[in-house]
Formats: sequence, C-alpha cells, structure tokens
Amino acid sequence: SYVLTQPPSVSVAPGQTAKITCGANNIGSKSVHWYQQKPGQAPVLVVYDDSDRPSGIPERFSGSNSGNTATLTITRVEAGDEADYFCQVWDSISDHVVFGGGTKLTVL
Amino acid sequence: QVQLQQWGAGLLKPSETLSLTCGVFGGSFSGHYWTWIRQPPVRGLEWIGEIHHSGSTKHNPSLKSRVTISGDTSKNHFSLRLTSVTAADTAVYYCARRPHGRTAFENWGQGTLVTVSS
Repeated sequence: SYVLTQPPSVSVAPGQTAKITCGANNIGSKSVHWYQQKPGQAPVLVVYDDSDRPSGIPERFSGSNSGNTATLTITRVEAGDEADYFCQVWDSISDHVVFGGGTKLTVL
Repeated sequence: QVQLQQWGAGLLKPSETLSLTCGVFGGSFSGHYWTWIRQPPVRGLEWIGEIHHSGSTKHNPSLKSRVTISGDTSKNHFSLRLTSVTAADTAVYYCARRPHGRTAFENWGQGTLVTVSS
C-alpha cells in the first residue's frame, strides 16, 4: 500500500516560515492535498492539487510537489496557525484515499 | 455553501453495529462523492469509503467486509454502517464531500465521537 510520511512535529517562531513535508515514492506524480485541523474541530482543506488554495485560505499557505516530497509552506506564521496538518492523495493503484500521519505545528 | 451535519449513536458495546447518517444542506447530492473518514484517539485520519450519487461505492480494504455505505438522494443524506465493532473502532467519525473530478475533500461534517466499550 502507498504510505505518506510526515514528521510528527514542526516548531517555528511567530513571523517565520514553516515547512511541513509529506514523503512518498514518486509523490510528484500525484495530486497532493493538505488539511489543517485544530483541536476539537474537523479538518479544513488549505491546499489542493499540490498548490491551489480554496477561497478564504490566506496566501500565506502554499504548496509544492516534486519527486518524492510534497511540501506545505506557511509564511509569516501566526499563533492561530498552530494545529495538526495532514497530507492526502488518491492512490490510483489501490483506488482509495491515503492520508499522512499528521504533523503538529507548534508556534513558539 | 454546502454544509454537512451528521448524527448517530455515540456509545456502543463490542459486537454491535455502528450507524451514522450525514445530511447534505445547501447543495445538491448529485454529481459528488460522499465519504466517511474516521480518526482514532491518536491523531491519524483513516478513509473508510465513499458513495457516488449514482450509487457506486468504494471501501477501504481493511474494513470492507464490515462496511456498508448507502445514500438517499430523495432525502439528501447518506449513511454508514459498520458491523461487529470492537474497541479498535473507537474514533471520531466524519462525513465529507469530494466533488466530482477532484480528489480532495472540500466540506466536512462536525464529527461524531463513537466509543466502543463493554
């Protein structure tokens, strides 16, 4: 089965840039989506199709995907960005959805 | 803006059947994929399966034999049944919408905590 690997945690100071990675074999050939989940809330889509943003998501959130790594980048990090972040793809071989294990973003 | 609202029993005993329903408000049931996702107590998200408005379904192979996802286009809702539950099925269960032609989940229900305990 297709496995997405994320670092368990990332820490960043306010105003700095956070990068959260999602690694998998040839993930660059797939569309990667990113979700933000705050405690007690449902996930929210923040980036889809590698680098597009849904309406209402700040431009500070961006994504890239190449080779074996997809990356969610959050610039000018704010305290309100502290959350768990999950990557997700559709695995066409197994024909089902795969999520990464999640990364806890801590704003110092 | 599509909103999803879910309901169902939150406390089950081992071997019972989990049953949840998700209502679709403010949008059409047609043309999309309606999904169930769960999240056990320690962080990770697990895709359970989905139903298209046409009635076709897909399921996570790890759960397939116990899962039934059904839809009712006349009532704009879809449902999840998971049989023979165990403590390992304790999780927050979410419904979500995947638009046709896309593979991301754009709308989510509020989540339902289902606890399996004797």
